[in-house]
Amino acid sequence: DTAVSQTPKYLVTQMGNDKSIKCEQNLGHDTMYWYKQDSKKFLKIMFSYNNKELIINETVPNRFSPKSPDKAHLNLHINSLELGDSAVYFCASSQHQGLAEAFFGQGTRLTVV
Amino acid sequence: DAKTTQPPSMDCAEGRAANLPCNHSTISGNEYVYWYRQIHSQGPQYIIHGLKNNETNEMASLIITEDRKSSTLILPHATLRDTAVYYCIVSLLYSGGGADGLTFGKGTHLIIQP
Repeated sequence: DTAVSQTPKYLVTQMGNDKSIKCEQNLGHDTMYWYKQDSKKFLKIMFSYNNKELIINETVPNRFSPKSPDKAHLNLHINSLELGDSAVYFCASSQHQGLAEAFFGQGTRLTVV
Repeated sequence: DAKTTQPPSMDCAEGRAANLPCNHSTISGNEYVYWYRQIHSQGPQYIIHGLKNNETNEMASLIITEDRKSSTLILPHATLRDTAVYYCIVSLLYSGGGADGLTFGKGTHLIIQP
């Protein structure tokens, strides 16, 4: 069983489209995150949810909208995709807010053409 | 401003101990030191964390200096599969301290040589 699973693994789409990335964790964790890793390999926190409540929203364009239907799922919707959105997006979870034993998914490589 | 400083890259021979340094001179008294690694094309993997005492688990050892201004991650018998980018992060334990406590820096690219 994969602890944190993301789908799809690869996503190629045209500018202007709307797309979603799904994330599920089966660890019973209370906190989930979305990270973006750009071409320079910097890992930047985008959002953090604790028990379905948004805790951190890091100056991300409002075209990005996270949705947490329950504490095991945190999906990322992106509207009007731009070339600069191309990156690898990682979902993660931890029992508490913070980096103590966080588990990361395998990433979704988004390419906007 | 980065809260940690790490060398951009290091080499280590297979089978030898890999010692990865991290400077965190502005660490506050209740911040922990965390280490993660990212193997190429995979998600980051948690390794270990500590406050002030040295810590050891099945993956690695963490040595924190008495003044807590620096630490060293030790992989006792490095293998080729340990080639990865290693990130040192300082953060509060259960709150993260906001976005700063969840931010990964540039890390050290450790290359294990056969």
